[in-house]
Amino acid sequence: AQKVTQAQTEISVVEKEDVTLDCVYETRDTTYYLFWYKQPPSGELVFLIRRNSFDEQNEISGRYSWNFQKSTSSFNFTITASQVVDSAVYFCALMHRSGAGSYQLTFGKGTKLSVIP
Amino acid sequence: SAVISQKPSRDICQRGTSLTIQCQVDSQVTMMFWYRQQPGQSLTLIATANQGSEATYESGFVIDKFPISRPNLTFSTLTVSNMSPEDSSIYLCSVWEGEKLFFGSGTQLSVL
Repeated sequence: AQKVTQAQTEISVVEKEDVTLDCVYETRDTTYYLFWYKQPPSGELVFLIRRNSFDEQNEISGRYSWNFQKSTSSFNFTITASQVVDSAVYFCALMHRSGAGSYQLTFGKGTKLSVIP
Repeated sequence: SAVISQKPSRDICQRGTSLTIQCQVDSQVTMMFWYRQQPGQSLTLIATANQGSEATYESGFVIDKFPISRPNLTFSTLTVSNMSPEDSSIYLCSVWEGEKLFFGSGTQLSVL
C-alpha cells in the first residue's frame, strides 16, 4: 500500500530562518514519483516539484531545495531565508495507480508553515 | 499549464439538498479527477471521470452520493447529494498535463 507521512503538523519560524519540511513515504513500486504542493491561505494547490525514483540528485530552485534519500524513503523540502509569503500548507504526495487504472496521488496530511515577520 | 475553472467557488447549503459543481478545462483531457479535502485534512480522491463511460469511484465513495457527469473532453460535474454537515469540505477537480497534476481553485462547501 502507498503511504505518505508528514510528521510535522505545524511549524512556525521567524522570517529569514531556514526551515525543513519532512516527508517519508512507503511503496512497493520500484519506479515511483514524488511531488510537493503548496496550498496558501487562498486555497489553490500550487505544484512545486516532481521527482522520479531513479533520480536521487538533489534539486534547488531559488530558495527551495529538495533532498531525496531513497535509502531512508524520504523526500524533504527546505526553504532557505523564509519569507512571510511562504506561509502555507505544504503537501508531499506519492504517485500510484488508482482504482481506474490511471495515475493518481496519495497525499500526506500536510505541514502548516507559518512565517512570522 | 492547464487552466481549470471551477464553479461555484463556495456555497452554503442546507442539509438534505444537493449541489452540483462544475469543472471546465481549457484543453481536451481523457480523464478528470475529483478530490475532497475535509477541514484541516489532506486530499482524498473521490473518483475518476472518463468521457463516454461511467466514472470510477475509489473505496468509500459511491455513485448515489457523488454522481459525476463527463459529457465531453473539457467538462465534468460532481454532484454532492443529500448533503449532511459531514460533507462540508473543499472539492477540487484536477487533470494531468505532462507529468504534473494540476488542480482547479476548488469549491468550498459548507452544509448547515
